[in-house]
Amino acid sequence: DTGVSQDPRHKITKRGQNVTFRCDPISEHNRLYWYRQTLGQGPEFLTYFQNEAQLEKSRLLSDRFSAERPKGSFSTLEIQRTEQGDSAMYLCASSFRLAEMVPNEQFFGPGTRLTVL
Amino acid sequence: SQQGEEDPQALSIQEGENATMNCSYKTSINNLQWYRQNSGRGLVHLILIRSNEREKHSGRLRVTLDTSKKSSSLLITASRAADTASYFCATDRSETSGSRLTFGEGTQLTVNP
Repeated sequence: DTGVSQDPRHKITKRGQNVTFRCDPISEHNRLYWYRQTLGQGPEFLTYFQNEAQLEKSRLLSDRFSAERPKGSFSTLEIQRTEQGDSAMYLCASSFRLAEMVPNEQFFGPGTRLTVL
Repeated sequence: SQQGEEDPQALSIQEGENATMNCSYKTSINNLQWYRQNSGRGLVHLILIRSNEREKHSGRLRVTLDTSKKSSSLLITASRAADTASYFCATDRSETSGSRLTFGEGTQLTVNP
């Protein structure tokens, strides 16, 4: 399967614990995005990378959240000191950015469902 | 915050009927995209329409965009049970396209066999 993959698919943790999610984008894609989706809502943008550079972060991304894409390939999203309000589906997407002003679609992974007890 | 608002929130139709979903947004956009999400699965891109386009077709899908009204509609013709899913519109507002998408809250479509 050459699509976007995410690991783990499900994570249950206790409040206060740290969790880390991984996303492997489509190999030739230079852009990688993280979104969060709660039940009954659409996804909300968290952050995105072009290659290894983190270009934009949402205000939703508190200082407990950190994302990296060290070699411009896979990315990790870490949540420190988890809270019950962090329970959500965390979605990763990737795209190939050919040139400015050329719109492109984002390809989404299956998501990691986080439950904070 | 969500930019798009889909209407209706839920839609139930019989197989073979057409389904129309609407999306409204608040700010100027570069392009608007529609995605489908099946239960337990990731989002699948359906169609993208640029701000200078008014209508686009892809198979059984027809999308319209009215930038003066800041609205879009997705029409699925001859619906099938497999079309049962949540449908989201997403706007790309950046001047230099290809960055964040802002999603609406979605329309839950149920197609009854």
